[in-house]
Formats: sequence, C-alpha cells, structure tokens
Amino acid sequence: NAGVTQTPKFRVLKTGQSMTLLCAQDMNHEYMYWYRQDPGMGLRLIHYSVGEGTTAKGEVPDGYNVSRLKKQNFLLGLESAAPSQTSVYFCASSQGQGIYNEQFFGPGTRLTVL
Amino acid sequence: GQNIDQPTEMTATEGAIVQINCTYQTSGFNGLFWYQQHAGEAPTFLSYNVLDGLEEKGRFSSFLSRSKGYSYLLLKELQMKDSASYLCAATDSNYQLIWGAGTKLIIKP
Repeated sequence: NAGVTQTPKFRVLKTGQSMTLLCAQDMNHEYMYWYRQDPGMGLRLIHYSVGEGTTAKGEVPDGYNVSRLKKQNFLLGLESAAPSQTSVYFCASSQGQGIYNEQFFGPGTRLTVL
Repeated sequence: GQNIDQPTEMTATEGAIVQINCTYQTSGFNGLFWYQQHAGEAPTFLSYNVLDGLEEKGRFSSFLSRSKGYSYLLLKELQMKDSASYLCAATDSNYQLIWGAGTKLIIKP
C-alpha cells in the first residue's frame, strides 16, 4: 500500500517549456487535489476532482490544466511554464470532502522554472 | 474574506509543553484540521475539531472555540522529533480547506 505517489520528485524547466506531473493513489479515494506550497504562504489549491472524469478549479488555477481519466490518477499540466510557477507541488486524496475526511498527501514535486 | 493566522515560528525545550494558536475566518466553517509537516516532507494529518472543546490524542491535543474563531494545538512532553511545521486548516463553504502558512516549531535540548 503505497498511499499517494508523485512523479517526478524534482524538475527544472526553462520558461515556456511544458510538463506533466503525475499523481497516483491506491486507496480508492474519490477526491483528489493539487496544491502548491510557497515560502511564507499556506497551501493553495490549484485544481481538484470529485471523481473519475471530473475536474474543478481551485484558488489558483491559471496556467495549469488537469485531467482525471482514471480514478487512481490525477495529472497536472503546465503548458508554458513561467518563473512564478516555481514551487513545491503536492497532490492529495481523500475519501470524502470537508471535515471528517482527512487528506493524504504525496511526497511532493519540487519544480524550478528558470 | 477568508483568513487563517498562526505564528510563524516558536521555540520550546525538550520535555516541555507548547501551545500553537490559530485564528480563522472562513465562510461556511464546519471544522478545523491540524497537520504536521517535517522539512522537505509531505503534511501528515494530526487531528480535526468539529465541536467546541478539547480533543486529546496521546501527547497531542487540539482545542476549538467556534464562537471565537480560535483553535490551538497542544504538544506535551516535547521530543526532538516534534521539530516540524504545524499547519492549521479550516473548511470553507465549498468544503475546501483554507490553510495557514504554518508554525515552525524548533525544539532545543
């Protein structure tokens, strides 16, 4: 039981390049989330999904796209990376939403955009 | 607006007790979470509070006052491994979590 896994763990991009971050969970959770974490700030929700085939925007969705073609996977795409997207990205999953439903986090992806 | 406030950094001594405060303002609040995050690692769940009062889980306890928009995390018998950031998160009207910036706790021998 691996929980939530993320690939890659580290990545350096040049401005304008694209990439996809992969998140996988083996807990059969319905809900999945992508957050970014920046120094001095709380986790900020980028996009989330309430089930296979669904996605929704969070607090900071601009510059990112997501897909949830399979229940266990949630992909985060950067079409044209910008230095402002330098951050640590965390994926999380939960069985339900809100209180009583703790979120389980992946180990994070450290992205630097030059 | 929605806002979570917690101290940036706190220092405590091994074996002592420390209280980390969190004040929140969210629309549609229905509960508050505490997570622990060691440097370079993922956040891990510690506790949640829905009703007013104290929830105890071993060395860790969490308190909530809904009328005051206030919570605290109490850590007893501090150990060096408790050195970490502690994140407070409150639910909003869409059942999403609004996160505080975290409190970095430094434990000294």
